[in-house]
Amino acid sequence: DGGITQSPKYLFRKEGQNVTLSCEQNLNHDAMYWYRQDPGQGLRLIYYSQIVNDFQKGDIAEGYSVSREKKESFPLTVTSAQKNPTAFYLCASRSGQSYEQYFGPGTRLTVT
Amino acid sequence: DQQVKQNSPSLSVQEGRISILNCDYTNSMFDYFLWYKKYPAEGPTFLISISSIKDKNEDGRFTVFLNKSAKHLSLHIVPSQPGDSAVYFCAASDNTNAGKSTFGDGTTLTVKP
Repeated sequence: DGGITQSPKYLFRKEGQNVTLSCEQNLNHDAMYWYRQDPGQGLRLIYYSQIVNDFQKGDIAEGYSVSREKKESFPLTVTSAQKNPTAFYLCASRSGQSYEQYFGPGTRLTVT
Repeated sequence: DQQVKQNSPSLSVQEGRISILNCDYTNSMFDYFLWYKKYPAEGPTFLISISSIKDKNEDGRFTVFLNKSAKHLSLHIVPSQPGDSAVYFCAASDNTNAGKSTFGDGTTLTVKP
C-alpha cells in the first residue's frame, strides 16, 4: 500500500531536549512538506523540499531543522530553540504532476 | 496578513440538506484551489480541487464554485451525511511558488442525523 507514515503518533519530551519526528513516503513523490497545526488554526508550513538534498524554509521555520538525504524520507527536528513546540505535526508529499498533497497521520508532540 | 480565510469556524446542518462552506483569498496569483477534509487526530485528505480557468467542478455530492472577481470559492455538499462531519480546509496554490499551498483555518462541519 502506498502512503505516508509518521512515527510515533504521540511523543512526549522535556523542555530543552531536541526531538526528531519521522516521515517516510513510498509514493515516489519528489516534494515533501512539514506543517504544524495548533488548536483552531490552519496548517502552517515549517519546511519543504522539492528534491533530494535540497530544502527551503517555510513560514515558521525558526527552531526547526530538516534533512532530505533520501527521496523517501524527510525527518523534522524540533530543537530546544522552538519557543512553543507542543503541537500536532503533519508531513505531506506531492507529485510534480499536481497540486494535491498527501498527508501522513500526524504526530502529536507534547513538551513539558 | 492571512491570504486564505474561512470566516465561519463552524457550520451545522441537518442530514440530507445542503452544506455550503466558504473561502476567501486575497492573493490574485493563486491559480489552483483545493479542499481537504480532516478528522480529529488524522491527517487531511484531499477532497476536490478547481483550476482558476474554471468556475465549477463537480465530483459526486461535492461541487466547488470559484468566483475569481470576488476572490471567493465555496464547497457545496449535497446531500449532507453524518459521515461528512469533519473539519474542511480550503487551500490555494500558484505555479510560481514551488507547489506550496496556503491553508485557511478550517470550518468544522457537523451534520445532524
